[in-house]
Amino acid sequence: EADIYQTPRYLVIGTGKKITLECSQTMGHDKMYWYQQDPGMELHLIHYSYGVNSTEKGDLSSESTVSRIRTEHFPLTLESARPSHTSQYLCASSEIGHISFGQGTRLTVV
Amino acid sequence: GQQLNQSPQSMFIQEGEDVSMNCTSSSIFNTWLWYKQDPGEGPVLLIALYKAGELTSNGRLTAQFGITRKDSFLNISASIPSDVGIYFCAGLSSHSGGGADGLTFGKGTHLIIQP
Repeated sequence: EADIYQTPRYLVIGTGKKITLECSQTMGHDKMYWYQQDPGMELHLIHYSYGVNSTEKGDLSSESTVSRIRTEHFPLTLESARPSHTSQYLCASSEIGHISFGQGTRLTVV
Repeated sequence: GQQLNQSPQSMFIQEGEDVSMNCTSSSIFNTWLWYKQDPGEGPVLLIALYKAGELTSNGRLTAQFGITRKDSFLNISASIPSDVGIYFCAGLSSHSGGGADGLTFGKGTHLIIQP
């Protein structure tokens, strides 16, 4: 099982603020992902990376951006948070055959 | 892109009952994965299936990879209160359409257990 750490677990922030959600994994996995999920709803892929300096947009359009400067680190940034960004954000990484998730960040924009 | 039809959407059952849920698709998958998500947490992998026809158990959970490679089911026997949560299936194909190694998730089955 991969060790994936997301911080913060919960974040309440005002409209217009810039935020960065942190995600780190200790397994040396090349492939990492960000999913967005409203409570009790399906998972939507918003970003993924196949390695350092590789980032791609996922199936669901998102105003967030990501970077992959180090293998273990895949942060997600919102330049100007809005109430519509309120959701849970799940980071994941994969080894051959399956994907493992972090505990998620529950973001609320007020 | 590829789609998975997961059913049922929700289940209300009595403690001790057996549970069955499934995922179907018009596409072929090389791997089927089943996850459980507790409220406020990330999904946790329950069972991974890598071969058509494979039947795998994990405690009270049993999952099968359909022979056609287009479906999978998950059974939970003798349900207990801690089984409550959302169960997601995921299919992994060799096609990369949509990104993330062709990994496609179902929309989830909400399991609610009445004492």
